[in-house]
Amino acid sequence: GAGVSQTPSNKVTEKGKYVELRCDPISGHTALYWYRQSLGQGPEFLIYFQGTGAADDSGLPNDRFFAVRPEGSVSTLKIQRTERGDSAVYLCASSLFLAGGGEQFFGPGTRLTVL
Amino acid sequence: AQSVSQHNHHVILSEAASLELGCNYSYGGTVNLFWYVQYPGQHLQLLLKYFSGDPLVKGIKGFEAEFIKSKFSFNLRKPSVQWSDTAEYFCAVIRQTDSWGKFQFGAGTQVVVTP
Repeated sequence: GAGVSQTPSNKVTEKGKYVELRCDPISGHTALYWYRQSLGQGPEFLIYFQGTGAADDSGLPNDRFFAVRPEGSVSTLKIQRTERGDSAVYLCASSLFLAGGGEQFFGPGTRLTVL
Repeated sequence: AQSVSQHNHHVILSEAASLELGCNYSYGGTVNLFWYVQYPGQHLQLLLKYFSGDPLVKGIKGFEAEFIKSKFSFNLRKPSVQWSDTAEYFCAVIRQTDSWGKFQFGAGTQVVVTP
């Protein structure tokens, strides 16, 4: 596709459940980023990948959060034992090069609601 | 603590008025600076960026921003706004001392332009 896509667009789950959020970056983009955006706030950095490896995961809030990008393209953000405080819009972005020198292209986000 | 501060959360102005949105960051050292915009129902997209050189940078749609290193500021301006500039605007910073992929966003400024 022409842009970054994210699925699902909306996810409603119950407290304690496991969820997976998927990101398809722009073809050929080597860098991929995950952010979380709560109401009234700017995007909060979670993790970014350069190729298949997580170059910086310092934004992941705790060990319930994990992300993978096994083939250097699609990425999955995994959240175990979800809590109500995890409710937010999860944004994915990709860039052709590492962000210091490249523009990030954002997807539409996945709105996660934990009941 | 918020490392990127946007001074106004909401701004309402009339068409043809001038717009200035403040952004301050609290890091020393080398930074790259960005303004992103999110139009209603759309993804975040890049307005402009500053890496080095001329501190006055021009972006899309008539926007410009000025980097003032001594004030740790990167304010966004537009001399004459249009109704179509109604959107949320985010300032973002990458520090050289962090990994180059770790964007820090401000909380955003919601701008409403009235006809």
